[in-house]
Amino acid sequence: EIVLTQSPTTMTASPGEKVTITCRASSSVSYMHWYQQKPGASPKPWIYETSKLASGVPDRFSGSGSGTSYSLTINNMEAEDAATYYCQQWNYPSIFTFGSGTKLEIK
Amino acid sequence: EVQLVESGGGLVQPGRSLKLSCAASGFTFSNYYMAWVRQAPKKGLEWVATISTSGSRTYYPDSVKGRFTISRDNAKSSLYLQMNSLKSEDTATYYCARLWERFDYWGQGVMVTVSS
Repeated sequence: EIVLTQSPTTMTASPGEKVTITCRASSSVSYMHWYQQKPGASPKPWIYETSKLASGVPDRFSGSGSGTSYSLTINNMEAEDAATYYCQQWNYPSIFTFGSGTKLEIK
Repeated sequence: EVQLVESGGGLVQPGRSLKLSCAASGFTFSNYYMAWVRQAPKKGLEWVATISTSGSRTYYPDSVKGRFTISRDNAKSSLYLQMNSLKSEDTATYYCARLWERFDYWGQGVMVTVSS
């Protein structure tokens, strides 16, 4: 079973700041998906297949990575980006793993 | 518009059973794998079950294997989760989700509280 470790667990960023959230896998994986969740709401697909933005996601977001290290980056943090972000991986045949989440707050 | 609407949650005593339902609309239900994902209060996301398009294949993590059963009725565009021998650690919001290489649509979630 692949374990996903996110860092940091929580962070605070100022408007306009660049933010990077990391997700490390215990074994090499082919890609990573990311979800955004705000309090009281369902998770939303945010970045899929490592670097593709889901519909409606602002282009200040980007994703990258390979092997065991993946990241979600926000260029020019905005107040609406405050949320918890989860990475997620799929293993054959149909086993899914989530990271523990990164809570991003605005200063 | 894709919609997933869960129902059937509530308060249940430890050891008892509960069945969740998810009504799907806005897409051809029978073409998609479906899944349940849960989130304990103030905690992260945990995958609970997956079912293939026909229902012939199901998958579970060890935490619920043998206690939970996922099923579907393609004629009714409905997904189900039968939960038996419930434990306090099963207390969570349960989400129904559509699978297309990732969880691309989620329901609003239904709360299950296991407590005496």
